[in-house]
Order: sequence, then C-alpha cells, then structure tokens
Amino acid sequence: GNSVTQMEGPVTLSEEAFLTINCTYTATGYPSLFWYVQYPGEGLQLLLKATKADDKGSNKGFEATYRKETTSFHLEKGSVQVSDSAVYFCALPGGGGSNYKLTFGKGTLLTVNP
Amino acid sequence: KAGVTQTPRYLIKTRGQQVTLSCSPISGHRSVSWYQQTPGQGLQFLFEYFSETQRNKGNFPGRFSGRQFSNSRSEMNVSTLELGDSALYLCASSLPTDYNEQFFGPGTRLTVL
Repeated sequence: GNSVTQMEGPVTLSEEAFLTINCTYTATGYPSLFWYVQYPGEGLQLLLKATKADDKGSNKGFEATYRKETTSFHLEKGSVQVSDSAVYFCALPGGGGSNYKLTFGKGTLLTVNP
Repeated sequence: KAGVTQTPRYLIKTRGQQVTLSCSPISGHRSVSWYQQTPGQGLQFLFEYFSETQRNKGNFPGRFSGRQFSNSRSEMNVSTLELGDSALYLCASSLPTDYNEQFFGPGTRLTVL
C-alpha cells in the first residue's frame, strides 16, 4: 500500500538558512503528493502539491519536486524566517487499503531562531 | 469562502464518558474525513464520509463512530472514553472532483482525565 517516510527532525535553523526536509514515498502508480504545515495550536494547512512526475509545487518560498526516479518529494526553502517555525508533513493519498484518505509522514518540527 | 469549522475547540472529559465532535465542511465540499493526531502515533485516519455514507474506516475500535448529514456536516462520537483517546481530532473536507486535496479545520482538543 501507499506509504511515506519523512525525516523526523527536529530541525533547528537560524534565520535565512537553507531548509531541506526529506520525504520519500511508496505508491502504486503516480499519485498526487502534498506538503502540509501545522502552526502551533492550529490544524493543517496545505502548503503545496504536485500532481504528476517532474511537477514542481511552490508556495510562500517553499518548493518541492515530484521525482519518480528516486520516489522523493523533498521540501526546500532558500531562506527561512522565524515565522516558518511549524511542523511539516509530507502526504499522499491512499494507504492501508483505503482510497479516500491521506497517509501522512510522522512530521518534522522546524524551529527557526532569529 | 468560510473554511472548515469544528466545535468545540476544547473538551475535557473523564474516563467512561462519551463525547460528540462536530465538523462543518467548506461550502460545496461533500467529502468529510476525520483524523486523530497524537504525539506518539502522529496523524491517523479515522473515517471518511461522502453523501451520508461511510466509504472508509481506519483501524480504530467500534467505540469510534461517525455520521454525515444531508447538508454534509459531520459528527464523530467516541463512547466509553479512555485516557488514550486524548488527542487532537481533525476534520477535513474536499470537493467531489478532487477528494485527494483535503482542507483541514483547526481541530478539537480532547483531554480525557
């Protein structure tokens, strides 16, 4: 079934540093891939998505490229800000025999210090 | 357009009690999913409803149940609460044409004492 493995962290960076959070997946076919972000005390927000191989999703300075050769969807940002401190989840649809669901990675806590 | 709303935002219950959580999806969204988030297990899928029918259920005991109304609003119920049910319960909705892209509410924080 579909599954996702995500770098767990925590990750601590200084402001303006480069960010990479690794995500690899196992899936049947080529499903859409997602990154969600959860700020303290809030629900999940869709950060970006890619719907097919070689697609690049981008939003708020974050980018991720759907790599079918390496089954990866790593999240990157060139210069992080304190306001980016949050938990980041990689996700794909399906898994566990269910189609109408998202399967999430364990989440990566990012802390950005000024 | 209003987002997904969940009520209440916080709940404190004692073991053995039951609880009902409510979710109102984004207007036009007919699929509603529920997830449980805990520090140890992360995000786990509970169930998904579409047009008042449960299409999928995660690996949770029968104490966890849900339903969906004709206006797409959904409720989930947990009976005979256990300490381990303490969690953030998240509801998500999606369009019928793209159930993969889910929009989440702020969650209900349930604490079982």
